[in-house]
Amino acid sequence: DSGVTQTPKHLITATGQRVTLRCSPRSGDLSVYWYQQSLDQGLQFLIQYYNGEERAKGNILERFSAQQFPDLHSELNLSSLELGDSALYFCASSRRTGAGETQYFGPGTRLLVL
Amino acid sequence: GEDVEQSLFLSVREGDSSVINCTYTDSSSTYLYWYKQEPGAGLQLLTYIFSNMDMKQDQRLTVLLNKKDKHLSLRIADTQTGDSAIYFCAEIYNQGGKLIFGQGTELSVKP
Repeated sequence: DSGVTQTPKHLITATGQRVTLRCSPRSGDLSVYWYQQSLDQGLQFLIQYYNGEERAKGNILERFSAQQFPDLHSELNLSSLELGDSALYFCASSRRTGAGETQYFGPGTRLLVL
Repeated sequence: GEDVEQSLFLSVREGDSSVINCTYTDSSSTYLYWYKQEPGAGLQLLTYIFSNMDMKQDQRLTVLLNKKDKHLSLRIADTQTGDSAIYFCAEIYNQGGKLIFGQGTELSVKP
């Protein structure tokens, strides 16, 4: 158990809908990262927050947004969902930010868009 | 550029050693990581190596780093059926927090 929690574990929804994925980092970790794992794209970095502020952005679609709250939990919002958004979404956390900070991953949220 | 390459499959017999290879492109990477993903599960950090090291050993795991060739390997000694999983290598991109992952190597351990 990494100490990173994600809810829900599974999510089934329809095209055009909007969902919110939630992540609680390990106790004391200030940095949260979101990754998407799909069969065709592999594991891709989406976005990073550090102590409430956006720190880095990857291949995140404009239909997707995220935020980190004062209690350091984070939410990833996916809107106008398409079939291709079906994937496993991981959250990771680290103590701070930077090259030497090990990222610990949560169990993921499996999203299926029908 | 951002690119990490791994072979997709490896099959070994129980008790043998497994060697999973990885090549990366970002020469400024300071840390390189190995993660393990079991079916239906998240990513478990196995080990990491700092770029000024050539080798790191942690129980049954040995990581070798050839910085000149940008080649990383993970050796698992005495491989067990419980080691069957997908193994990902990852580099930290451009000194920031973004991890760049390889495609993953599926390790199959036959009894």
